[in-house]
Amino acid sequence: QQQVKQSPQSLIVQKGGISIINCAYENTAFDYFPWYQQFPGKGPALLIAIRPDVSEKKEGRFTISFNKSAKQFSLHIMDSQPGDSATYFCAAAYSGAGSYQLTFGKGTKLSVIP
Amino acid sequence: NAGVTQTPKFQVLKTGQSMTLQCAQDMNHNSMYWYRQDPGMGLRLIYYSASEGTTDKGEVPNGYNVSRLNKREFSLRLESAAPSQTSVYFCASSPQGDEQFFGPGTRLTVL
Repeated sequence: QQQVKQSPQSLIVQKGGISIINCAYENTAFDYFPWYQQFPGKGPALLIAIRPDVSEKKEGRFTISFNKSAKQFSLHIMDSQPGDSATYFCAAAYSGAGSYQLTFGKGTKLSVIP
Repeated sequence: NAGVTQTPKFQVLKTGQSMTLQCAQDMNHNSMYWYRQDPGMGLRLIYYSASEGTTDKGEVPNGYNVSRLNKREFSLRLESAAPSQTSVYFCASSPQGDEQFFGPGTRLTVL
């Protein structure tokens, strides 16, 4: 059972455009929603994260929008740059077990073309 | 400060062979994790250790064992490798479990 569904699988955006990646989750116990960025041959790196007590979080050109009632959250990359070309993973976790177990989406490969 | 290190970087095994993947972190983190990444599948949790002395199964533990050797080190063992275990393996650590820091990965091929 896939608990975090991510779309689209791949995305091509022109330089300067807005990249939008969406995720939906099923488990209402999730209380931590991070986004990871991964470049080829590297490990994932935390980009930005949100908790359900806020509806939006912005860090530079990256914004998470969170809709608790719809059980959806999205990543917006403003003014997309070729250096943003990478695979992006959303994830969700809950802390009830004493340690966070991240459940990842399947990833979105973003290509930003000049 | 090296962060999370993994050895080896690459490994080729024959079916039935065993091996241990090593992971170490120098950030004094309590929690450590092992994931596997397969094309189109995202990352899936194999095992984790919330703190030194404890280990628990994740989503895909079958065919693997782990050892939390001390606070710094968390190893993953394949007792009898199978082609289905061909994957990229990532170790991660976290101070409290939320923000996880990943290593560079081990690319394993089982023939």
